[in-house]
Amino acid sequence: EERLVESGGGSVQPGGSLRLSCVASGFTFSPYWMYWVRQAAGKGLVWVSRINSDMSGAYYADSVKGRFTISRDNDKGTLYLQMNSLRAEDTAVYYCARSEYQLLSGHYYYYLDVWGKGTTVIVSS
Amino acid sequence: DIQMTQSPSSLSASVGDGVTITCRASQSISRYLNWYQQKSGKAPKLLIYAASSLQSGVPSRFSGSGSGTEFTLTISSLQPEDFATYYCQESYSTPSCTFGQGTKVEI
Repeated sequence: EERLVESGGGSVQPGGSLRLSCVASGFTFSPYWMYWVRQAAGKGLVWVSRINSDMSGAYYADSVKGRFTISRDNDKGTLYLQMNSLRAEDTAVYYCARSEYQLLSGHYYYYLDVWGKGTTVIVSS
Repeated sequence: DIQMTQSPSSLSASVGDGVTITCRASQSISRYLNWYQQKSGKAPKLLIYAASSLQSGVPSRFSGSGSGTEFTLTISSLQPEDFATYYCQESYSTPSCTFGQGTKVEI
């Protein structure tokens, strides 16, 4: 079974830091782009960050740029999200997700086909 | 940035009903549109990708259509396990992506 398991969430004061991890199993991790998506309580899904398979590119939502850093260790099959200067508005469940694609009629269509169960981050004083 | 707007935000239906959810993009996104189902306290699950392609293992009562700026997700005959929140997501602007605000399907 293809699985992603997040960990590292917790409660932290504003301005603090956390490092989230996401361990992959049941599939070869290295070829896939990987995403972090978050969801505040009672709210919708919001893209946070993406990293290319070979770490050649890392991309961030404007709301976290300069504060969060995505990384991966392909040998360990693990995705990371280093979160610094945390704010109350970063409080959410954080999901990691695998990006897959299909080539249809000459176009590449990307989607998130495997998701972890999420880890909860609470930023509060 | 592309904005994704779903309608309705919530709907009430009964087992056996047909249901249609609409997702509109603020600009043309061709067929770069995915649909997810999320049950309370669970991770999202991919249902449809590329606007109309059914993900492996997803029941055939789910279908998607549309292109450009308007898309629909249809559930042909609601089953008890289909009561959930549904999200559309554009992948046109990859590496980023935007989700709709969600549509909650309730009894």
